Amino acid sequence: EAQVTQNPRYLITVTGKKLTVTCSQNMNHEYMSWYRQDPGLGLRQIYYSMNVEVTDKGDVPEGYKVSRKEKRNFPLILESPSPNQTSLYFCASSLFPGDGYTFGSGTRLTVV
Amino acid sequence: AQKVTQAQTEISVVEKEDVTLDCVYETRDTTYYLFWYKQPPSGELVFLIRRNSFDEQNEISGRYSWNFQKSTSSFNFTITASQVVDSAVYFCALSEARSTLTFGKGTMLLVSP
Repeated sequence: EAQVTQNPRYLITVTGKKLTVTCSQNMNHEYMSWYRQDPGLGLRQIYYSMNVEVTDKGDVPEGYKVSRKEKRNFPLILESPSPNQTSLYFCASSLFPGDGYTFGSGTRLTVV
Repeated sequence: AQKVTQAQTEISVVEKEDVTLDCVYETRDTTYYLFWYKQPPSGELVFLIRRNSFDEQNEISGRYSWNFQKSTSSFNFTITASQVVDSAVYFCALSEARSTLTFGKGTMLLVSP
């Protein structure tokens, strides 16, 4: 089944403790991206990647890191999480930017 | 810069009513793509439709229909004979040919029995 898999689905952590949210797709898509969703703000892009080893900042990159060492994986790293990073996070992939996007199931992160 | 505006924050209807969700976009590109996604209470994002800028034909899929008008930069979504299961947040989104997906802030649709 074609899908984007994110883990974990839910995570509660403490301020400053490094964490990684994993994202993997099995569709051989070139393009992957991370979004965060906050009430009243919709979905905002954090980082995106056009291909392996090519990443770029989205609208709200501060406090996040990403890497794209393999085509299928695009992990989101929070080196020192803060409470304002409490949010619902989505990973997405597509064959190219204008193609249909497949989203993961989401990761609900709470930073206390 | 690309921008998507969904002016309706929340809409409440009674089952079987028709409802239209508005979407207005801004882009300088001649090639772009428009999308609608549904987010039910369970939280996942469900793809509904993709339209490219060269195809202005309206589309109908069951109770769903989409009206794309380049002249007004709008891509509106109509649900005919709404059902309780249609209750969700609906997002309109835009992607230019070489850029990323930009979402509107979403419209929450509440369909009561």
